[in-house]
Amino acid sequence: GAGVSQSPSNKVTEKGKDVELRCDPISGHTALYWYRQSLGQGLEFLIYFQGNSAPDKSGLPSDRFSAERTGGSVSTLTIQRTQQEDSAVYLCASSLREGTLYTIYFGEGSWLTVV
Amino acid sequence: AQSVAQPEDQVNVAEGNPLTVKCTYSVSGNPYLFWYVQYPNRGLQFLLKYITGDNLVKGSYGFEAEFNKSQTSFHLKKPSALVSDSALYFCAVYNQGGKLIFGQGTELSVKP
Repeated sequence: GAGVSQSPSNKVTEKGKDVELRCDPISGHTALYWYRQSLGQGLEFLIYFQGNSAPDKSGLPSDRFSAERTGGSVSTLTIQRTQQEDSAVYLCASSLREGTLYTIYFGEGSWLTVV
Repeated sequence: AQSVAQPEDQVNVAEGNPLTVKCTYSVSGNPYLFWYVQYPNRGLQFLLKYITGDNLVKGSYGFEAEFNKSQTSFHLKKPSALVSDSALYFCAVYNQGGKLIFGQGTELSVKP
């Protein structure tokens, strides 16, 4: 597609349930990022995939959060046993390569509400 | 550690007036700086970036930013604001680990 595609765009889930958020990066982009945007918390880095290298998971807030990237393309962010504080917008982004020459483009986000 | 600060939570401007959204940075080494805009209920859109070269960077929608090394600033500017410029603006710095570190954001409100 023309841009970074995320699904679902909105998700309401009950506390304790697991959720999966999907990201389809721009075709050919090797770098993929997940960020979280919470009210009053700004934009928080979660995880970063670059090609075949081991992902940078340093931003994942707890072991309930995990992400994978299959075939170097689509990525899934999984949140297990959701808590109310997980309510946020989850933004995926991609860039052609790692490095400052390559602009990072964001998707529209997945709005997660945990009730 | 690399970081950026946006000292104003909100900026109010009248339509047609010039606007400035402030950003200061703290980095070790050369700074690589970015501005993004977020319209209500949307994702982030790239506006412009400074990597090297000319201190005045021109970007999308008539925006520009001035890199000032001595003041460690990268303020976003536009000569004449539009109501449609009302949005949330984020400054970011590229972390050598390969990711962007964002400021807290500044809400720009342009009134007719």
